[in-house]
Amino acid sequence: AQTVTQSQPEMSVQEAETVTLSCTYDTSESDYYLFWYKQPPSRQMILVIRQEAYKQQNATENRFSVNFQKAAKSFSLKISDSQLGDAAMYFCAYGYSGGGADGLTFGKGTHLIIQP
Amino acid sequence: DTEVTQTPKHLVMGMTNKKSLKCEQHMGHRAMYWYKQKAKKPPELMFVYSYEKLSINESVPSRFSPECPNSSLLNLHLHALQPEDSALYLCASSQPRGSGRDTDTQYFGPGTRLTVL
Repeated sequence: AQTVTQSQPEMSVQEAETVTLSCTYDTSESDYYLFWYKQPPSRQMILVIRQEAYKQQNATENRFSVNFQKAAKSFSLKISDSQLGDAAMYFCAYGYSGGGADGLTFGKGTHLIIQP
Repeated sequence: DTEVTQTPKHLVMGMTNKKSLKCEQHMGHRAMYWYKQKAKKPPELMFVYSYEKLSINESVPSRFSPECPNSSLLNLHLHALQPEDSALYLCASSQPRGSGRDTDTQYFGPGTRLTVL
């Protein structure tokens, strides 16, 4: 079974600074996807960024980028120029792409606080 | 458009009631999902529908009954729930595998906050 671990229950960063959220996962599969989702207090789950395991290039979306280390099974999220609107719970998630449709396996989440 | 809608936003029900949660998407996605999320916890998968057929049931109690009437709609019928079933119920959808761009990316609705008295 796949597992996803987020070792930082809470992180705090000053507005405009950079913060990195950690995620490690365990799987025996070679073909999969990794995601970062953001869940603000409204509890809407919002996709932040997506990485396909077969791609070596790290995904980027504006101020958000990942450091994907497949051999180490590590998938960290870097948020540059942090903004107050970035405050939320961030979940790392794993999705297997071997066949059919499968649910996502989530980590326990990291609560990100932005200090003004 | 990456919108998944869910109704109602909030639901309060007694243990003897029967109610239904509704989820709708118009993105042409052929996979739809139900997740349950307790406060301060990650979402937990309940059911997966692929091409309108139930493909995964994560040992969910029979008091939860999913239904997929067509490719755009997903329902969750609730009957004889327990107070511990109180949670946020999230619906998600994704493109079918092999369809190209954005495959397997799940888009979530805003959820239904359920309280069982």
